[in-house]
Amino acid sequence: QQQVKQSPQSLIVQKGGISIINCAYENTAFDYFPWYQQFPGKGPALLIAIRPDVSEKKEGRFTISFNKSAKQFSLHIMDSQPGDSATYFCAALGGGGNKLTFGTGTQLKVEL
Amino acid sequence: GAGVSQSPSNKVTEKGKDVELRCDPISGHTALYWYRQRLGQGLEFLIYFQGNSAPDKSGLPSDRFSAERTGESVSTLTIQRTQQEDSAVYLCASSLRNLKLSGANVLTFGAGSRLTVL
Repeated sequence: QQQVKQSPQSLIVQKGGISIINCAYENTAFDYFPWYQQFPGKGPALLIAIRPDVSEKKEGRFTISFNKSAKQFSLHIMDSQPGDSATYFCAALGGGGNKLTFGTGTQLKVEL
Repeated sequence: GAGVSQSPSNKVTEKGKDVELRCDPISGHTALYWYRQRLGQGLEFLIYFQGNSAPDKSGLPSDRFSAERTGESVSTLTIQRTQQEDSAVYLCASSLRNLKLSGANVLTFGAGSRLTVL
């Protein structure tokens, strides 16, 4: 059972544009939602995270928008750069467990 | 060490052989996780160790998979009688404490061990 659904699977954005990746979850007990960035040959690294008591969190060019009623959250990358080209994973933690449940990932390519 | 270290970085084996993958977590990290990443897919939880507590093995896909951890140090993931569907990148991650207590912001991943079963 896929508890965290992520879309799109792949995304191509022009340099300077906005990249948007969406995730939806089912388990209302989830209470922590991180995004991870993974470059080829490397392990995932935490990018930004949010708790459900806020609707938005911004760190530099990266923003998480959170909609608790819809059980959805999204990552926005403003002014996308070629160096942002990577795979992005959303994840969720909670429900009494100690493990992160990951989405299926989005391959982002930022073109010049 | 400064980060989570995994070895080997690449392993090619023949179907039916056993393989061992090693993870050296960050020193002092009590929690250790193994995840599997198949090509084009998300990270699939395999097993979780927390200090001296019994491990959470709920993600192991079959009895061919097992893992051990000595205290709060090295962990070994063993796959017996490998099958082609075992081909994946196996990622290890560690955190200072239980994720529920510390938040996922301290979960650090290694670069992974890429397993190819021919």
